[in-house]
Amino acid sequence: EVQLVESGGGLVKPGGSLRLSCAASGFTFSTYSINWVRQAPGEGLEWISCISASSSYIYYADSVKGRFTISRDNAKSSLYLQMDSLRPEDTAVYYCARVGGSGPYQTNWFDPWGQGTLVTVSS
Amino acid sequence: QSVLAQPPSASGTPGQRVTISCSGSNSNIGSNTVTWYQQLPGTAPKLLIYANNQRPSGVPDRFSGSKSGTSASLAISGLQSEDEADYYCAAWDDNLSGWVFGGGTRLTVL
Repeated sequence: EVQLVESGGGLVKPGGSLRLSCAASGFTFSTYSINWVRQAPGEGLEWISCISASSSYIYYADSVKGRFTISRDNAKSSLYLQMDSLRPEDTAVYYCARVGGSGPYQTNWFDPWGQGTLVTVSS
Repeated sequence: QSVLAQPPSASGTPGQRVTISCSGSNSNIGSNTVTWYQQLPGTAPKLLIYANNQRPSGVPDRFSGSKSGTSASLAISGLQSEDEADYYCAAWDDNLSGWVFGGGTRLTVL
């Protein structure tokens, strides 16, 4: 079964840091691009970052550029999100999601998604 | 404010057909494929429609997607109570070099 499991969420003070992890299983992790998508409480979905299979291509949403760093360890089938300079508006459930489709990103989608991990930024 | 525009809510009675619209621009929907996700209460999003109108295995054929120009639509026919969920459209945006989502539409089955 293809599965993604996030961990590392928690309560952190504004200006603090947190590192999220996403453990993959059931597929050849090293051949897929993976994303982070977040959802603030009661709000919609917001894509925040994508990393290609070999880490050659990395993209960020403007809202997190310069503060968040995506990375992966293909040997461990794991994805990471290092979050620095956290703000209250970063409070959200963070999902990792695998890119589906074999073509360029313009034709791709997200499937499956993990169950999410909650990050709360508050003093 | 989301890059893709969706109505915040939609509703229908069991058995009815409902449609949810998603409006974008040339840099996203106008140039790239559209995906729809379903998010049941308290759960993670799930892929519903990909490549504008393709259904993953396991998704009932009551769900269909279409795209024309810079807009897309999700149609649900034979509405059922278990379809009550939030629905999101998404597409890659060439100008932003990233994916953009609609704000989501909450579907209520009356």
